[in-house]
Amino acid sequence: DAGVTQSPTHLIKTRGQQVTLRCSPKSGHDTVSWYQQALGQGPQFIFQYYEEEERQRGNFPDRFSGHQFPNYSSELNVNALLLGDSALYLCASSLGPDKYEQYFGPGTRLTVT
Amino acid sequence: DAKTTQPPSMDCAEGRAANLPCNHSTISGNEYVYWYRQIHSQGPQYIIHGLKNNETNEMASLIITEDRKSSTLILPHATLRDTAVYYCIVRPAGDAGNNRKLIWGLGTSLAVNP
Repeated sequence: DAGVTQSPTHLIKTRGQQVTLRCSPKSGHDTVSWYQQALGQGPQFIFQYYEEEERQRGNFPDRFSGHQFPNYSSELNVNALLLGDSALYLCASSLGPDKYEQYFGPGTRLTVT
Repeated sequence: DAKTTQPPSMDCAEGRAANLPCNHSTISGNEYVYWYRQIHSQGPQYIIHGLKNNETNEMASLIITEDRKSSTLILPHATLRDTAVYYCIVRPAGDAGNNRKLIWGLGTSLAVNP
């Protein structure tokens, strides 16, 4: 039973560039949430996707956008990268948007220079 | 929204019980207490959650005080693989999918020593 997978594992970008991160949910799960985790901090909620729509959003600017595909996989896009966007980006999946228990992937480490 | 307070770090001897406290003195009557842990370089892992009653699963036990202002996560026989950061989070029961209201603090860094 495949767990949550994310790609790439590491990424280095320059300020002003754009980045796309990818996530495949746990088998059977249809809901994907994205989190940003700065070094030494807890995860912060970015947004959640269900039925290919953004269902809810945290306090992140419009530079952060996403997409969910019919196979439930998801992408996180960040435009006009800032140094402060350097973080671990985590994807979590669940069976339905109203489930408490989420399964997290290993994350993508983004470094903006 | 309720917030939680946890000690920044704790130590535990391998094979002994690890008791991780969490203070959530402003918790509302409809808010659940959740515990996740994050092993170094991995994503968080769900452990357990509860509302009022004590809960137990294959990973841990959750003890919630009667006034619900604090709780304790118990790992009955800690192993080296339990070394991780443990997060205590509260979330509304009637709004289970609302991740906007999840506030992850800094957690407790538990070190299990041989």
